Amino acid sequence: KAGVTQTPRYLIKTRGQQVTLSCSPISGHRSVSWYQQTPGQGLQFLFEYFSETQRNKGNFPGRFSGRQFSNSRSEMNVSTLELGDSALYLCASSSGSVGETQYFGPGTRLLVL
Amino acid sequence: KQEVTQIPAALSVPEGENLVLNCSFTDSAIYNLQWFRQDPGKGLTSLLLIQSSQREQTSGRLNASLDKSSGRSTLYIAASQPGDSATYLCAAYTGANSKLTFGKGITLSVRP
Repeated sequence: KAGVTQTPRYLIKTRGQQVTLSCSPISGHRSVSWYQQTPGQGLQFLFEYFSETQRNKGNFPGRFSGRQFSNSRSEMNVSTLELGDSALYLCASSSGSVGETQYFGPGTRLLVL
Repeated sequence: KQEVTQIPAALSVPEGENLVLNCSFTDSAIYNLQWFRQDPGKGLTSLLLIQSSQREQTSGRLNASLDKSSGRSTLYIAASQPGDSATYLCAAYTGANSKLTFGKGITLSVRP
């Protein structure tokens, strides 16, 4: 089975712009979770989508949003970028059953200048 | 609110040494505890998952234990090798909101 894929792998944006990141889960997985990783805060949960619905949400401002398509692919959007949004954004897929192993993608590294 | 702590932040050992990485969590109402490995600039690789009803899991040279009552988990690495050099993160899965709460990781360096 192919693993979790994320595109693009690297992005450079300037403050005020918006960005869209994409995640394709493992075939058959219906849950996609997004995490932000920074040196200072570590890995923090952004949100989880299951069957095209946001099932859980972390403590991030409304500038961070996401969606999931019928084929389980997910996109994350960040509007009005700030310098502090520079991070590695990781997505993880799972079957969606509680407690199942999450499989992580390689991440998208976003640099905001 | 679940908090996960990993101390120390970094560890350097000579090749061949057996070592233990510690992880503590504040809320014992977890579904499971996972250990991940992260190589520089890369994503996370799942190493071991221990369900809340289990005490330990083993995979090759790795053994993870879980003590819910004390809020602790350990990852034991036997006969460490330079290829084990990476950051090791533990994460507690809380079913209430279906999310993983991560520690900040322990960066391990195994010297040849």
